[in-house]
Amino acid sequence: AQTVTQSQPEMSVQEAETVTLSCTYDTSESNYYLFWYKQPPSRQMILVIRQEAYKQQNATENRFSVNFQKAAKSFSLKISDSQLGDTAMYFCASIFQGAQKLVFGQGTRLTINP
Amino acid sequence: GAVVSQHPSWVICKSGTSVKIECRSLDFQATTMFWYRQFPKQSLMLMATSNEGSKATYEQGVEKDKFLINHASLTLSTLTVTSAHPEDSSFYICSATPTGQIYEAFFGQGTRLTVV
Repeated sequence: AQTVTQSQPEMSVQEAETVTLSCTYDTSESNYYLFWYKQPPSRQMILVIRQEAYKQQNATENRFSVNFQKAAKSFSLKISDSQLGDTAMYFCASIFQGAQKLVFGQGTRLTINP
Repeated sequence: GAVVSQHPSWVICKSGTSVKIECRSLDFQATTMFWYRQFPKQSLMLMATSNEGSKATYEQGVEKDKFLINHASLTLSTLTVTSAHPEDSSFYICSATPTGQIYEAFFGQGTRLTVV
């Protein structure tokens, strides 16, 4: 089975700190994409960052970066200089080649405190 | 970026009635769309995969006759909750995949359904 697991239900940090959200996945597929989505209180799903499995270089988008460890099947999200607006639910997800549909983790509720 | 419009944003209906939710891709064609249900403080649960011009593929445990999905064009999929009951109250989200780009997914704003 293809699964995505987030083991941190909730996290809380102070504004301007760096925080890392964990995600692991399980698949036998060789080709897949990994994503981090943000869901703020409005509940609109917002793509934060994506990583293609065949690329060794970790993806970066401004303050957001990932640590992609393919052998360990790990895909963590690092948020630098956290801001109050980063407060949201964060979902790790993957599209595995065979399934062609997003598989979501359980989510991590991140709170940035002033 | 690609825009997916979901309508309505919220709806209240009486028990026993049906309600239709629309999901439109505004600036791209989507052969495949997906419908999710999300309970409070939980992850998205895939309900069904909607394919243009063919029958939807439902996930295990999802009642086909209660959640009718129609994907009649490359830009529109609809989810109809039939004979709604209070337990159907939830947040429903659609996503659309641009034709030929299986590794992309763009989400609608979601619909909060309350059945009274």
